[in-house]
Amino acid sequence: GEDVEQSLFLSVREGDSSVINCTYTDSSSTYLYWYKQEPGAGLQLLTYIFSNMDMKQDQRLTVLLNKKDKHLSLRIADTQTGDSAIYFCAESIDGYNKLIFGAGTRLAVHP
Amino acid sequence: DAGVTQSPTHLIKTRGQQVTLRCSPKSGHDTVSWYQQALGQGPQFIFQYYEEEERQRGNFPDRFSGHQFPNYSSELNVNALLLGDSALYLCASSLEGIIYEQYFGPGTRLTVT
Repeated sequence: GEDVEQSLFLSVREGDSSVINCTYTDSSSTYLYWYKQEPGAGLQLLTYIFSNMDMKQDQRLTVLLNKKDKHLSLRIADTQTGDSAIYFCAESIDGYNKLIFGAGTRLAVHP
Repeated sequence: DAGVTQSPTHLIKTRGQQVTLRCSPKSGHDTVSWYQQALGQGPQFIFQYYEEEERQRGNFPDRFSGHQFPNYSSELNVNALLLGDSALYLCASSLEGIIYEQYFGPGTRLTVT
C-alpha cells in the first residue's frame, strides 16, 4: 500500500546539523522527494533522489536512501533560522507524477 | 520565468455552494496536478490533467471535478461544499516525461462556513 510516515517535530540549535527521517511502504517507488513549506506558502522542491541511488548531496543538503529498510533521510548542515519550516517527504510510484506525502516534520531552529 | 500561479489566494464560501479555483502552470509545463492540504496534514492527491484529460484520480468524490485548457492552465471545481472541504488547495505542474521535477504554486486557501 501507499503510506509515508515522518516524525512530527524536530528542534535543533542554530549551526548544528538537522536530520529528518521518513519511512515509506511501497517498494515500487521510483523517486523520493523532500519539499519545504514555510508558513502560509506552497511547497518548495528541495531535492529528489532516484530509487536506485543511495545518496545525493546538494550544497548543505544530503539525502540518504536505504531501499532495503524503505528509509529516507534529509540532513541539513549548518542549520540556520531560515531553515525553520515544515519538511515533507514524498514518493512517486508510477510514471505520472502522483505524489504521496507524509504528514510533515516541523523543524524549529533556536539560537 | 513565471512559476506556478494560482487564483484566488483566499476564498470564503458557504456550505452547499460551488467554487472554482484556477491554476497556470510553470512556463513550458504541460501537466497539472491538484492536491488538497488540510490543516496540519500533508497534501493529498486529487487528480492530474494531461492533454486536456483527467489521467489519474485520487480518493475524492465526484463533487471534485476539473478541466485543462489548450494553454495547459487548469481549473478545479468543487460542488456542494462541505465544511470538511476547508483546506489549502495546491496546484503543481510538471513536464510529461520529467517526473522528478514537479513545482507547486502558493495555493488557494478555501474556508467553508
